Amino acid sequence: GENVEQHPSTLSVQEGDSAVIKCTYSDSASNYFPWYKQELGKGPQLIIDIRSNVGEKKDQRIAVTLNKTAKHFSLHITETQPEDSAVYFCAASSGNNNAGNMLTFGGGTRLMVKP
Amino acid sequence: KAGVTQTPRYLIKTRGQQVTLSCSPISGHRSVSWYQQTPGQGLQFLFEYFSETQRNKGNFPGRFSGRQFSNSRSEMNVSTLELGDSALYLCASSSLAGASTGELFFGEGSRLTVL
Repeated sequence: GENVEQHPSTLSVQEGDSAVIKCTYSDSASNYFPWYKQELGKGPQLIIDIRSNVGEKKDQRIAVTLNKTAKHFSLHITETQPEDSAVYFCAASSGNNNAGNMLTFGGGTRLMVKP
Repeated sequence: KAGVTQTPRYLIKTRGQQVTLSCSPISGHRSVSWYQQTPGQGLQFLFEYFSETQRNKGNFPGRFSGRQFSNSRSEMNVSTLELGDSALYLCASSSLAGASTGELFFGEGSRLTVL
């Protein structure tokens, strides 16, 4: 099955700096790669996603890049703010016809933005 | 629009007991997925239901089961509880009807502690 590795596990940045989180996946058939943000005491919330027919996607201060050949994708947050502090999860969908909404998640990155 | 509602939010059980967790998806969503979140194993897929049918199942023992009702509400059951079943159980709903993976809307979870 699919295996997703996520690095780093913790990341501390100064407010205004950029943050980059990287993930690798094992199943070349995976075609959907979302990123979720989980704040304390809440469930994960989708912040951006990318499908395998696109190499990059941007939404304001957040961008995701995908390299299908190398089987890795990254989350980029620019101009970080204290409210960006949370745990971020990458995920991949196996991409077969029966994948439905089954996601394989990375281990998570705890991002701390220091004011 | 109300979000995904999970009950109970917190519960404590002892080894050998069983537990039933409930999830009400966002109105109109027919797909309901369950995930287990632990510090050691992260977010792991349990199963997904769509139109009362289990569409996918993760790598968990048969003690973990679920079902979905005609109104899309879902329940999961864990029998013969073990200490290792202590976790946050997250339910997520999705509006996508087909096999394509899309945004999951997570509830706040049911935190189970097994003593």
